[in-house]
This record gives sequence, C-alpha cells and structure tokens, in this order.
Amino acid sequence: GDSVTQMEGPVTLSEEAFLTINCTYTATGYPSLFWYVQYPGEGLQLLLKATKADDKGSNKGFEATYRKETTSFHLEKGSVQVSDSAVYFCALSEKWGSQGNLIFGKGTKLSVKP
Amino acid sequence: KAGVTQTPRYLIKTRGQQVTLSCSPISGHRSVSWYQQTPGQGLQFLFEYFSETQRNKGNFPGRFSGRQFSNSRSEMNVSTLELGDSALYLCASSLGDRDGLETQYFGPGTRLLVL
Repeated sequence: GDSVTQMEGPVTLSEEAFLTINCTYTATGYPSLFWYVQYPGEGLQLLLKATKADDKGSNKGFEATYRKETTSFHLEKGSVQVSDSAVYFCALSEKWGSQGNLIFGKGTKLSVKP
Repeated sequence: KAGVTQTPRYLIKTRGQQVTLSCSPISGHRSVSWYQQTPGQGLQFLFEYFSETQRNKGNFPGRFSGRQFSNSRSEMNVSTLELGDSALYLCASSLGDRDGLETQYFGPGTRLLVL
C-alpha cells in the first residue's frame, strides 16, 4: 500500500542554519504531497503542498519540490528560527478511492537553539 | 472563517467506558476525517464522512464509529475503551471534492486518557 518515509530525528539546529528534512513516498498513482507542522500542544497546520510532478510548494521560507523520478518531497529552509521548532509531517493523498485519507510519515521533531 | 473546532479538548475515562468526541468543520466544508495520533503508531486514519455518509474507513476495530449530521458536524464514538485508546484524536475538514487532492484543515484535537 501507499506509504511515506521521513527522517525521524530529532533534528537540532542553531538559529540561521540550513534545514533539510527528507521525505520519500510509495504510491500506486499520482498523489498530492503535503507538509504539515505541529507546534507543541496544537493540531496540524498545513505548511505547503504540491499536486503534480515538478511542482514546488512554498510558505514562510520553507520549500519542497515534488520529484516523481525519485519519489521524494524533501522540505528545506535556508535559515531557521527558534519559532520553527515543531514536529514536521510529510503526507500524501491519493487521487481516487481514498478521499479524506491522508497517509503520514512518522514526523520529524525540529529543535532550533538560539 | 472560523477554523475546525473540537470538543472537548481533554478527557479522562476509565477502561470499559465509552466516549463521544465532537468536531465542527470549517463553514462550507462537507468532508470530515478523523485521525488517531499516538507516539508509537503516529497519525492513523480512522474514517471520513461526506454528506452524512461514511465514504472511507481505516483499519480500526468496530469499537470506533462515527457519524455526520446534516450541518456537517461530526461525532466520533469509542466504546469499551482500552488503555491503548489513549491518544490525541484529530479531526480535519475539507470541501469534499471527489478527486481527493484537496487540502485538509485540522482542529486542535481532543486528548483522551484512558485509565
């Protein structure tokens, strides 16, 4: 079945460091791909998404490119801030027959130190 | 627009009891999905409702059930609670477009502790 694999961390960075969180997926069709972020004690917030190959999603300085050839959707940010400390989830949604069903990776906890 | 709201935010129950959680979607959204989040299993899909009908279901036992009302609000029920049901239960809403590619918006969750 469909699945998402992401680096589990935790990842600890200094402020202004470069961030990469790897995410790869397995899917039978042409899924949409998402990054969600969860701050402590809160639900999930959509960070960015891409719906087809070579699409780049971006938001708040974060970027991820849908790479069909490598089945990847790695999250990057050029300069992290303390406020970026959170858990990041990569997820996919298949097009047909799986409405409402997001498949998530295990999550990557990011801690940014001042 | 108001976001997805879930009530209650916290619950403590004992084994064998049952519990009902509520979710109010974003206005205009017709699809509501439920997820269970635990440290061990991560985020797992429970079921999805659209226009008062369960349209999709994950791999959970029959003790987990749900329903959706005509105003799109949804409830989730867990009967005969087990210790392993302790989790954060997240609700997400979306427009419900049939192609399944749309964004889901999540509520803050209900944290259930089973003693």
